[in-house]
Formats: sequence, structure tokens, C-alpha cells
Amino acid sequence: SQKIEQNSEALNIQEGKTDTLTCNYTNYSPAYLEWYRQDPGRGPVFLLLIRENEKEKRKERLKVTFDTTLKQSLFHITASQPADSATYLCALDTGRRALTFGSGTRLQVQP
Amino acid sequence: IAGITQAPTSQILAAGRRMTLRCTQDMRHNAMYWYRQDLGLGLRLIHYSNTAGTTGKGEVPDGYSVSRANTDDFPLTLASAVPSQTSVYFCASSDKGSTGELFFGEGSRLTVL
Repeated sequence: SQKIEQNSEALNIQEGKTDTLTCNYTNYSPAYLEWYRQDPGRGPVFLLLIRENEKEKRKERLKVTFDTTLKQSLFHITASQPADSATYLCALDTGRRALTFGSGTRLQVQP
Repeated sequence: IAGITQAPTSQILAAGRRMTLRCTQDMRHNAMYWYRQDLGLGLRLIHYSNTAGTTGKGEVPDGYSVSRANTDDFPLTLASAVPSQTSVYFCASSDKGSTGELFFGEGSRLTVL
């Protein structure tokens, strides 16, 4: 069956540290993958898109990698800040004319 | 400010009642979507529309209907609400000719008793 898996447990890190969130998928061959941020009670907000022919994409303190052989994307936040505390969702282009989302990983950055 | 507007923000509804969630966008995006978000299940696609006048079924369409009479509006209707439709509903839009980025509304929290 097709699945998108993200760390279901919340991650707690100290301010200033780098953390990595994982998105694994099975039985998909996405042309691209996206990451979104969602704050409590709010709609998701787009962060980054990475295509299947790109290994890495950066935006400010964020870095995303995409390994189509491992069927995995890693999402890195460097020099984390309490304001980075949120739920991070990965989403795949699954050829269904819309994105398919993982359930998200909640990140808590402690000051 | 351009974006997606959803209404109502929150609603409590008796089972069996009909309910329409409204969604309007002012970005002239051709594609629009309805997702529901439930704890532990993430966002699941209910219905989508790639352009005005066309709609399609997503992953969990049963019990829901949509229409796309024009570019800006994409209402979601629950013909006869059931408790399992208690959820947070998000409307989104995208410019299919662009990056594929989705723009989301702030959600409608629906409780069916």
C-alpha cells in the first residue's frame, strides 16, 4: 500500500541546535516533494519544493534533501529558534492532481 | 490581503443537518481543493477542481459534494452530516502552471453531534 510516514512523536530541541525531520514514502514515484509549516489553529504554509532531479534545496536556515532511491526526504533547521516551534508536514505529488500529505511532525524548540 | 477566505470558522451541527462550508480565493488560481485534517491522520483530500466547471473526487469523497461555478468560489456541502465528519476542513488553491505550491485558508472547525 502507499504510505507517507513522518515522525509521529514530537521532537524537542534546544535553541540554537540543528534538527532533522524525516519523511519516508513507499509505493510512490513523486515528481516533486514539498514541505509545509503549520501553527496551532492555522492553515499550513508552504516552505520549500524539491524536484526529483534535485538532491538538495536551501532557503535561509532551512535545507531539504530528496533521495528517490531511499524514498526519503530530510528537512533540516539550523540555528533553531523558539519561533520555529510548529508542526512540519511533507507532501508528495502522487499524480492524483493534488498533493498527498504526511501526518506531520511537531517540533518544539526550547529557549 | 490576497488569499483564501473560509467560513464559518467554527460550527456545531446536529447529525442529519445539511451544511455548506464556503471558500473564496482572490488570487485567480485555477485549481482548488478541500482537505480534512484529523489527529494522527494528517490532511486527506476530499474533492478538487482543476478549473472552473470541473470537479474530481479525492481520497475521502463520500458524504461530501462540491461545485465550481466560477474561478473564485469552491463550496463544500455535507448533505446529511454524521459524527464521523467532525473535523477541521481546509480549503486550498494553487496556480497549476506555477510551482504547485498550495495556499491554504485558516480552516473551518466542524463538530457534528
